[in-house]
Amino acid sequence: DAGVIQSPRHEVTEMGQEVTLRCKPISGHNSLFWYRQTMMRGLELLIYFNNNVPIDDSGMPEDRFSAKMPNASFSTLKIQPSEPRDSAVYFCASSLDRGSSPLHFGNGTRLTVT
Amino acid sequence: SQKIEQNSEALNIQEGKTATLTCNYTNYSPAYLQWYRQDPGRGPVFLLLIRENEKEKRKERLKVTFDTTLKQSLFHITASQPADSATYLCALDSNYQLIWGAGTKLIIKP
Repeated sequence: DAGVIQSPRHEVTEMGQEVTLRCKPISGHNSLFWYRQTMMRGLELLIYFNNNVPIDDSGMPEDRFSAKMPNASFSTLKIQPSEPRDSAVYFCASSLDRGSSPLHFGNGTRLTVT
Repeated sequence: SQKIEQNSEALNIQEGKTATLTCNYTNYSPAYLQWYRQDPGRGPVFLLLIRENEKEKRKERLKVTFDTTLKQSLFHITASQPADSATYLCALDSNYQLIWGAGTKLIIKP
């Protein structure tokens, strides 16, 4: 099992540009989570999906952020337009279900917006 | 307000000793608590889960305790090794979501 795969590993972009982060969860996992990690705020849940359906997007900071999960093996997180304060490491994680199943994280995308 | 706290300063431990990390919380009643390890440039990796009705859980050199009265979990690494150096995160359940501590950086010195 390759684990959760995220791309790109690093993204540097200018303010105002669109950014798309990609995630392939572990096959058979029903829940997918997008997190953001910064030194100041730690790990913050942005959105999570269960069976490809968005369940809770209350952590999405504003309308500039959107996430999709068109099928069980792919999800995207899009920021449009990007701002310097969006600079962070973005993690995707998947788990077997919504309950107490452990989360399996990808290695993240380090986003820098200049 | 709801809060989850871990030792904010790095913990320096001599190799071979037991490292103990603390996770305290207020205004939550979690059904379970999880511990993760995070290495630089990598995502967190699950280590152990302990439920509210369990006092203690062990896995090899790792031991976790959960005291719902004190609202505290302790994470122990016995016979610590330099390879155990990492940041350790606790996460507790709140309405089917995980609420994360900021993590404690553990440094094991040879």
